[in-house]
Amino acid sequence: GAVVSQHPSRVICKSGTSVKIECRSLDFQATTMFWYRQFPKKSLMLMATSNEGSKATYEQGVEKDKFLINHASLTLSTLTVTSAHPEDSSFYICSAPLMERGGVSDTQYFGPGTRLTVL
Amino acid sequence: AQSVAQPEDQVNVAEGNPLTVKCTYSVSGNPYLFWYVQYPNRGLQFLLKYITGDNLVKGSYGFEAEFNKSQTSFHLKKPSALVSDSALYFCAVAQYSSASKIIFGSGTRLSIRP
Repeated sequence: GAVVSQHPSRVICKSGTSVKIECRSLDFQATTMFWYRQFPKKSLMLMATSNEGSKATYEQGVEKDKFLINHASLTLSTLTVTSAHPEDSSFYICSAPLMERGGVSDTQYFGPGTRLTVL
Repeated sequence: AQSVAQPEDQVNVAEGNPLTVKCTYSVSGNPYLFWYVQYPNRGLQFLLKYITGDNLVKGSYGFEAEFNKSQTSFHLKKPSALVSDSALYFCAVAQYSSASKIIFGSGTRLSIRP
């Protein structure tokens, strides 16, 4: 089946630094990818929609200058957490839809997640 | 805007017994409904989805879900629970297609006791 990867799987950084997380669709192209954030034992919160070749669409309450998204190619989207602070510590998950013929049976595939810890 | 409600934070079931995890949704137009499972420190795994057609959808690991339009529900079920089914389960809904943004419910922790 389709695979979505994330790198790194785990990152620890100092407060004030920036961290880049990559999301790749390994065997299919994705013009759209989605970024989610999950707090411990909580649900996934949609942060933004990443669009290949254009600006990302952010959900209400998500700071676009804090969470920079770049969809540079049809298989890669990156999320950069700028000037990270301890409250940014979380589990970040991306997803990409696999567009099948007719579009009726499209399925979204999720990456394994990246655990960010900001000290 | 679409939304999903999972009224139970936790469901406890004895192994071998049937299980139900509840989900209700709200969306304009036709809903695209999903169930995902998450094991500790791991990503989401797709269980099943409803797009159109039969109201009873069968998915992975023996799970099934029933779409009920009048009650706007999409409860997850399994006839006989296994200890290995213990995990965090998320109901989710998309508004325009199964490839559009997905909104997740708050999650239900399923615990199966031997």
